[in-house]
Amino acid sequence: EPEVTQTPSHQVTQMGQEVILRCVPISNHLYFYWYRQILGQKVEFLVSFYNNEISEKSEIFDDQFSVERPDGSNFTLKIRSTKLEDSAMYFCASRYWGWTDTQYFGPGTRLTVL
Amino acid sequence: AQSVTQLDSQVPVFEEAPVELRCNYSSSVSVYLFWYVQYPNQGLQLLLKYLSGSTLVKGINGFEAEFNKSQTSFHLRKPSVHISDTAEYFCAVSEIQGAQKLVFGQGTRLTINP
Repeated sequence: EPEVTQTPSHQVTQMGQEVILRCVPISNHLYFYWYRQILGQKVEFLVSFYNNEISEKSEIFDDQFSVERPDGSNFTLKIRSTKLEDSAMYFCASRYWGWTDTQYFGPGTRLTVL
Repeated sequence: AQSVTQLDSQVPVFEEAPVELRCNYSSSVSVYLFWYVQYPNQGLQLLLKYLSGSTLVKGINGFEAEFNKSQTSFHLRKPSVHISDTAEYFCAVSEIQGAQKLVFGQGTRLTINP
């Protein structure tokens, strides 16, 4: 069964460093998403991406965040200058196309900012 | 905007007992409703979803949920739980069109005791 994959599973970085989180969505899916879950808090939407552009973003998704689909298979989230409060589990998700299609989630990347 | 409230942060249950996990939502537009499960160290997996039609929805692993529009609720039930059901359960909603970002509740940790 096709699945969403994410790398790395755990990333440790120093405050102020740039990180890139990688995701490989399900191959024929057209909508891509990033969510994050700070420890002990709810899963929060960051951004959605369709047709090579951002379709919606949350207030959390400020100028330090960016997303890219550099090729036909990868979908990346870049955090330019990490802060302590960026420590969280980051989930990638993808959805095929129709309004009733399900979002499938990857296993997540745990980002720890020291 | 939408919001989701899961009324119980933790639910301990004995094995083979029934369980109900409560979820209420608020939205000014029509929404789809979802329950996702997160097993330890794994990503989010869809249990079931309500799109339209019958208000009783059946999902995987013997779970079901009932949509109640007047009470804006979408409670999850299982008549007899197993040790393997120990996990975090998330209720979520999305608008029926557009980017369909998921808005999650806080989660309910279901613990099954032998």
